[in-house]
Amino acid sequence: DGGITQSPKYLFRKEGQNVTLSCEQNLNHDAMYWYRQDPGQGLRLIYYSQIVNDFQKGDIAEGYSVSREKKESFPLTVTSAQKNPTAFYLCASRTGGGNTEAFFGQGTRLTVV
Amino acid sequence: AQRVTQPEKLLSVFKGAPVELKCNYSYSGSPELFWYVQYSRQRLQLLLRHISRESIKGFTADLNKGETSFHLKKPFAQEEDSAMYYCALSLHYGGATNKLIFGTGTLLAVQP
Repeated sequence: DGGITQSPKYLFRKEGQNVTLSCEQNLNHDAMYWYRQDPGQGLRLIYYSQIVNDFQKGDIAEGYSVSREKKESFPLTVTSAQKNPTAFYLCASRTGGGNTEAFFGQGTRLTVV
Repeated sequence: AQRVTQPEKLLSVFKGAPVELKCNYSYSGSPELFWYVQYSRQRLQLLLRHISRESIKGFTADLNKGETSFHLKKPFAQEEDSAMYYCALSLHYGGATNKLIFGTGTLLAVQP
């Protein structure tokens, strides 16, 4: 079953704790992305990666960290420094850049309790 | 700064009426533009891209560089078109195009 998979679907975290969201793809895509989706604010780019061992900050990177040790995986860590972490997080991947199509995961809803 | 603007949060039309979802972008380079759609309880997916110049599900979008716009149009709306629509812009950096940014989205509601 090919595609891009995010896990878990729902995640609860206590305030002050770090938490890692998983994103895996078996599409052999080079580029991967993390977005945050909030009502009325659309998709805001957190981090993106062009190739293994390389990633860049997006527009709202503060309080988040990522790694890209394998082509298939791009985990996102929401740290305790993120002031408002409760949100819906989407991961995407695509072959490269330009006009290539991005494929999205089903998302992870993180709630800080 | 690079930006994608979708001025309407909600667009409500009756079945059979024309639809136009607005998208404006801010980017000094050569833009690669897309429309993505998210139907209820489904993943976000590509609807169309400007480079293809094709019609998908009756929707078309034309890039107007003078007005920096990429509006999505359909002459006759159907109830199954009801969804959230996002305009997206792919950015070039040093020949390695990678960054992909989205607008705030427009919810299209087609009334029977």
